[in-house]
Amino acid sequence: DQQVKQNSPSLSVQEGRISILNCDYTNSMFDYFLWYKKYPAEGPTFLISISSIKDKNEDGRFTVFLNKSAKHLSLHIVPSQPGDSAVYFCAASVSGSNYKLTFGKGTLLTVNP
Amino acid sequence: DGGITQSPKYLFRKEGQNVTLSCEQNLNHDAMYWYRQDPGQGLRLIYYSQIVNDFQKGDIAEGYSVSREKKESFPLTVTSAQKNPTAFYLCASSIDSGGAGRGQYFGPGTRLTVT
Repeated sequence: DQQVKQNSPSLSVQEGRISILNCDYTNSMFDYFLWYKKYPAEGPTFLISISSIKDKNEDGRFTVFLNKSAKHLSLHIVPSQPGDSAVYFCAASVSGSNYKLTFGKGTLLTVNP
Repeated sequence: DGGITQSPKYLFRKEGQNVTLSCEQNLNHDAMYWYRQDPGQGLRLIYYSQIVNDFQKGDIAEGYSVSREKKESFPLTVTSAQKNPTAFYLCASSIDSGGAGRGQYFGPGTRLTVT
């Protein structure tokens, strides 16, 4: 049973526009969420996180929104740049523990010049 | 420079052979992890270790073995019992930050091809 779902395998946007990547979860015990970015043949790198006590967290061009009632989070990238082209993984944990991160399957973002 | 190293980057083996993937970290993290990534499958946890000389099975441990004799090192052995060993293997480490942290730090990965 997939507890973290990224229903869009891929997304294509134009440079300068907004990219919105979505993530849904089913486990109501999840209270800490992270986004990772991964280039081909490299390890994922941390992008941004959010605790369940917040509904928004911003870091430069990246903003994560959390809707607890809908068990949904989204990552907004504004403006999108070609270097943002990568696979984005959503991950969740219980009690903020790093020991058991549950990952989604990822969304491939392509930003076209 | 602190980080996680995995070697080699690419590894080729014949079917029926065991192979060990290396993972070393100098971040002073207590916990270490092994994942495999297959196309369209995301990251699946193989084994993890919260402390030296202790480790737990993840979601897909069958056909794999690990050891954790040193804090810095967490090698993964892919045995001949693993039915589909060809994959991209990722090692990670972390502290248990209690929710204020950056989660797990990943190495660059090892692409294992078994023919």
